[in-house]
Amino acid sequence: NAGVTQTPKFRVLKTGQSMTLLCAQDMNHEYMYWYRQDPGMGLRLIHYSVGEGTTAKGEVPDGYNVSRLKKQNFLLGLESAAPSQTSVYFCASSYVLAGAPRDHNEQFFGPGTRLTVL
Amino acid sequence: AQSVTQLGSHVSVSEGALVLLRCNYSSSVPPYLFWYVQYPNQGLQLLLKYTTGATLVKGINGFEAEFKKSETSFHLTKPSAHMSDAAEYFCAVLKYNQGGKLIFGQGTELSVKP
Repeated sequence: NAGVTQTPKFRVLKTGQSMTLLCAQDMNHEYMYWYRQDPGMGLRLIHYSVGEGTTAKGEVPDGYNVSRLKKQNFLLGLESAAPSQTSVYFCASSYVLAGAPRDHNEQFFGPGTRLTVL
Repeated sequence: AQSVTQLGSHVSVSEGALVLLRCNYSSSVPPYLFWYVQYPNQGLQLLLKYTTGATLVKGINGFEAEFKKSETSFHLTKPSAHMSDAAEYFCAVLKYNQGGKLIFGQGTELSVKP
């Protein structure tokens, strides 16, 4: 199993350009998440998905869109990149052990995408 | 509301010394707590987790953490630091009934001196 993979690993954009980050997981997990990591701020949730075809806003959703057309993929889009979006982006996935709402196991993380917006 | 506070953004220890990384949480419901480690230029890896049961939790690489409800703490310890332990460590709490979302602390960078 590859686990959680992210493409690309690095990217440099100019202000106003658009791009899509791809996250893929081969663990058949229902839940997927996009985070951004900035120095001194830990990880902040951008958007998440609780299943194929569903998405929801996280803590810092502005400037980003997501789609979950297939269970194994979760795409993060930047329509018009800004320097404030320079960050390291992590994707994660998790599964529910049972029907109860708190029976979540840990999240499994991808290796990250380092994005610089000039 | 649930939250996590990690005391100390940077901790430095000598090789062979005790490692203690502090994490306090606030939660109105019994918390599920996690410690993750991030090595340079890598993603996060689970070290250990507490859900229910035994309050002393053992994880990978010789780390352990103790859940203390009375102190609302979940501090991470290791008896003897190795150079390979140098990394950033994140404490997190599972948000209750919200799609498996985690709330992360700001992280603590651990340096190990030879």
